[in-house]
Amino acid sequence: DQQVKQNSPSLSVQEGRISILNCDYTNSMFDYFLWYKKYPAEGPTFLISISSIKDKNEDGRFTVFLNKSAKHLSLHIVPSQPGDSAVYFCAARIYNNNDMRFGAGTRLTVKP
Amino acid sequence: SQTIHQWPATLVQPVGSPLSLECTVEGTSNPNLYWYRQAAGRGLQLLFYSVGIGQISSEVPQNLSASRPQDRQFILSSKKLLLSDSGFYLCACDRGRAKNIQYFGAGTRLSVL
Repeated sequence: DQQVKQNSPSLSVQEGRISILNCDYTNSMFDYFLWYKKYPAEGPTFLISISSIKDKNEDGRFTVFLNKSAKHLSLHIVPSQPGDSAVYFCAARIYNNNDMRFGAGTRLTVKP
Repeated sequence: SQTIHQWPATLVQPVGSPLSLECTVEGTSNPNLYWYRQAAGRGLQLLFYSVGIGQISSEVPQNLSASRPQDRQFILSSKKLLLSDSGFYLCACDRGRAKNIQYFGAGTRLSVL
């Protein structure tokens, strides 16, 4: 039962350009969404989140967009840097519920 | 801010052997604690979570078990490991005003041979 899907296993982008990572979900009860970044052999680190009452949240180079009607969210990284190369996980949960669902991840490679 | 310690970082165990992975949390009290597994090429699968001492909820039936003997200690165990138990095991916590954000430890890479 994969309630959160990241359909692109990998993405390659040139340094300085925009990276767009996509995520779809099926459970309409989800109302809080998060993006995590993971380097090899390390735990995921929290990047940015968005509540369902918003459609956009921005933090520096990172912006998350939420389209509730399409059950879709995306993470934009502008400008992309080589240090952004990592696996990015999308996650969703019902607010204050202990159950958080993760996508399979997208491996982002930013080329110098 | 909280810090999550996991050990060991890497573990190689034979099939049928027991397992004990430990996770401890610093910098917070009464956290919610979680065990996840990431199999090769896949996302994070929630295995267990705990909202308090002695309180364990299991998400996936399997030969693993979890225990929370102290407020900030979470243990993942198995009596007999299977090949399919290989993976990357992550401990996470959340609490307080940032309850919707889970913070992760560095993980344990388990290889069952």
